[in-house]
Amino acid sequence: EPEVTQTPSHQVTQMGQEVILRCVPISNHLYFYWYRQILGQKVEFLVSFYNNEISEKSEIFDDQFSVERPDGSNFTLKIRSTKLEDSAMYFCASSPQVNYGYTFGSGTRLTVV
Amino acid sequence: QKEVEQNSGPLSVPEGAIASLNCTYSDRVSQSFFWYRQYSGKSPELIMSIYSNGDKEDGRFTAQLNKASQYVSLLIRDSQPSDSATYLCAVNKWETSGSRLTFGEGTQLTVNP
Repeated sequence: EPEVTQTPSHQVTQMGQEVILRCVPISNHLYFYWYRQILGQKVEFLVSFYNNEISEKSEIFDDQFSVERPDGSNFTLKIRSTKLEDSAMYFCASSPQVNYGYTFGSGTRLTVV
Repeated sequence: QKEVEQNSGPLSVPEGAIASLNCTYSDRVSQSFFWYRQYSGKSPELIMSIYSNGDKEDGRFTAQLNKASQYVSLLIRDSQPSDSATYLCAVNKWETSGSRLTFGEGTQLTVNP
């Protein structure tokens, strides 16, 4: 069964450093998303991406965050200057059509120290 | 008011029983509805989607939707210990350019052998 692949599975970074989280969505999917889940809390929407541009972003997705689809397969989330409160599990997801459920990747656990 | 509210749990049922999970949502224009299962430390896994009022059955799972009452439920028949997980209700609002899946906080289910 096709899957969304995320790398790395775990990243530890120092406060103030830049991190890039990488995702390979399912190949025939058109819509791409990033979510995060702080330990013990709910899954929160960050951003949706379609047709090479952001279609919607949440209030969490401030100027420190950016997304990019640099080629036909990868989808990245960059956090420019990490803060302690950015520590969370970050999930990439994709869907083939806009009203379908999303398929989530296995996540990247980001720890900011 | 929370956008998506689930019965708080935790819910504990004996093996073989029916587990009933409930969810209400606040935005009347929500268009599609999903149930995800999340094992501890893992990513959400889509188990049911429902788009129109009524019941939808898939194996041991039945989803029910009542848009007038803004209510979604999930029944798990013949519950198994492997069903022990957190169940997330998710509600989708979409336009052609993209969508936003909003999650509830989840209901933790334990199935006792």
